Amino acid sequence: AQSVSQHNHHVILSEAASLELGCNYSYGGTVNLFWYVQYPGQHLQLLLKYFSGDPLVKGIKGFEAEFIKSKFSFNLRKPSVQWSDTAEYFCAVNMGAAGNKLTFGGGTRVLVKP
Amino acid sequence: GAGVSQSPSNKVTEKGKDVELRCDPISGHTALYWYRQSLGQGLEFLIYFQGNSAPDKSGLPSDRFSAERTGGSVSTLTIQRTQQEDSAVYLCASSMGTGQETQYFGPGTRLLVL
Repeated sequence: AQSVSQHNHHVILSEAASLELGCNYSYGGTVNLFWYVQYPGQHLQLLLKYFSGDPLVKGIKGFEAEFIKSKFSFNLRKPSVQWSDTAEYFCAVNMGAAGNKLTFGGGTRVLVKP
Repeated sequence: GAGVSQSPSNKVTEKGKDVELRCDPISGHTALYWYRQSLGQGLEFLIYFQGNSAPDKSGLPSDRFSAERTGGSVSTLTIQRTQQEDSAVYLCASSMGTGQETQYFGPGTRLLVL
């Protein structure tokens, strides 16, 4: 079955530390890739997306992600986190054969300590 | 402009009762999605409407769940004879419906079945 895996369920780090969240999917065809963020008490918001072209995409708030097709991965990175980055992060994949619906990873809760 | 809105924001019901959840998509968006976010299952796709096409119901967990979209805009998700395992946050999203695109999420309806 098509699936999306996020390897870390919880991440705790200090301000100014670098963050990398892993995301892998299982589908051999064309994909559209997304990272969404859910801040405490707020709804899901788009951080960044990849449809085609440059596999290194930049999003809001200093986040970036790299699509590595050979590894079926779309890892999220931020060089220096802030306390305000405390949130839950979701990787989502639109797999061509599945129409436009998104398959989500299990989410990663990130806690940034001030 | 206005984002996706959902009502009610919270709903508490008794086991066996029917509930209706409403979604107002972003104006002009022809595609509408329902997802469910629960502790045990993460974020799961439920159903997808695109224009006048037959909806993709492949994610509905049982025949107690149904959804309709009237006039190509507002959608209602109905859960009949609710069970405790239906407790979750029900999320609605909409998109332009033109192909590769971003889904924009509403704040969700938190459903608690007692």
